[in-house]
Amino acid sequence: AQKITQTQPGMFVQEKEAVTLDCTYDTSDQSYGLFWYKQPSSGEMIFLIYQGSYDEQNATEGRYSLNFQKARKSANLVISASQLGDSAMYFCALILSSYKLIFGSGTRLLVRP
Amino acid sequence: NAGVTQTPKFRVLKTGQSMTLLCAQDMNHEYMYWYRQDPGMGLRLIHYSVGEGTTAKGEVPDGYNVSRLKKQNFLLGLESAAPSQTSVYFCASSYLAGTGRYLQETQYFGPGTRLLVL
Repeated sequence: AQKITQTQPGMFVQEKEAVTLDCTYDTSDQSYGLFWYKQPSSGEMIFLIYQGSYDEQNATEGRYSLNFQKARKSANLVISASQLGDSAMYFCALILSSYKLIFGSGTRLLVRP
Repeated sequence: NAGVTQTPKFRVLKTGQSMTLLCAQDMNHEYMYWYRQDPGMGLRLIHYSVGEGTTAKGEVPDGYNVSRLKKQNFLLGLESAAPSQTSVYFCASSYLAGTGRYLQETQYFGPGTRLLVL
């Protein structure tokens, strides 16, 4: 069965430090993609970064990078130089060839000043 | 571009009442989705559509119906609301970028609809 697991319900990080949010997944599909979304307290879902299963390099988008370890089936999000505005819920999601997007339960990140 | 919009933003229903949530997108996306988000959980797919006139069941379809009569609109219906359907409902749309093995399908989300069923 396909599923996404985020084992950290909540995390703290000091402003300007880096933080890693964990995500592991399970699928038997060969072709799939992994997303990270940010959900601030206002409720909207904001796309952050995408990694395809055949991408050979780890995805990066500004301060966000995805540490993709295919053999371990992990797709951790790294946020460098944390900012107060990074405080939010973060969701990892798996997209399969059937176009279904499966979400993890989320990690709440709080950035301390 | 308005992106993905949802109507209404908030609604209170009594058990047994019916209602329809409207999702509209102006990005000419083929694919549209309805999710629900419950406290402590990620989003769960209710129904989705891969094109005008087509719909398919997701992970939690029971109690909901959908229609995609126009490409830009995806309607979610509750025929007889139950308290268990109290949730935040998100609509999303997407396009496919790339071909073959290198597919990227970024989903763009609407702002959500908060539904309370008493």
